[in-house]
Amino acid sequence: AQKVTQAQTEISVVEKEDVTLDCVYETRDTTYYLFWYKQPPSGELVFLIRRNSFDEQNEISGRYSWNFQKSTSSFNFTITASQVVDSAVYFCALIKTGSARQLTFGSGTQLTVLP
Amino acid sequence: GAVVSQHPSWVICKSGTSVKIECRSLDFQATTMFWYRQFPKQSLMLMATSNEGSKATYEQGVEKDKFLINHASLTLSTLTVTSAHPEDSSFYICSATHVRGTYEQYFGPGTRLTVT
Repeated sequence: AQKVTQAQTEISVVEKEDVTLDCVYETRDTTYYLFWYKQPPSGELVFLIRRNSFDEQNEISGRYSWNFQKSTSSFNFTITASQVVDSAVYFCALIKTGSARQLTFGSGTQLTVLP
Repeated sequence: GAVVSQHPSWVICKSGTSVKIECRSLDFQATTMFWYRQFPKQSLMLMATSNEGSKATYEQGVEKDKFLINHASLTLSTLTVTSAHPEDSSFYICSATHVRGTYEQYFGPGTRLTVT
């Protein structure tokens, strides 16, 4: 069975601080994809990144960066110089390849960025 | 590209009535559509997986007679909540995967259902 753990339920930071959201996953599969989604108060899920299990390169996109480490089964997400608009719930998710493509979501982390 | 719409975006209905929620892939054909339910301050829970032209596969604990799913075409899936009760009040989200076979799921904006 697959499992995604986001141990941080809520995080609160002051604007311009850096913040890291943790994600730890469990799977017996050797090939899989990991995702991060943002869910603002409107409710619509916003896709942030997809990472293949064979690609451990870290990725940076503007103020966002992701650290994928298979050795620790972690896929952490860092926001640099946070902004109020970053306030949202962030979900980490896992899908195994070759399956019915069902996403397993973590419980989410509520990020609040204070002005 | 890869836009998924849901209709309605919100609905209020009385206990005992049925409500239909539509999920459409607007600019692509979707082999598979998924239906999720999300209660306040909780994660998304998969309810069912539907493939065009076949019966939906429901997750354990989801009543298939209560949550009827129809996937009549490669661009449309519907979820009907039958005999709704206040405990069915939730945020329902659909997603779709592209027929060309990527692992990306494209999410609809969600439907907020309130049963009074």
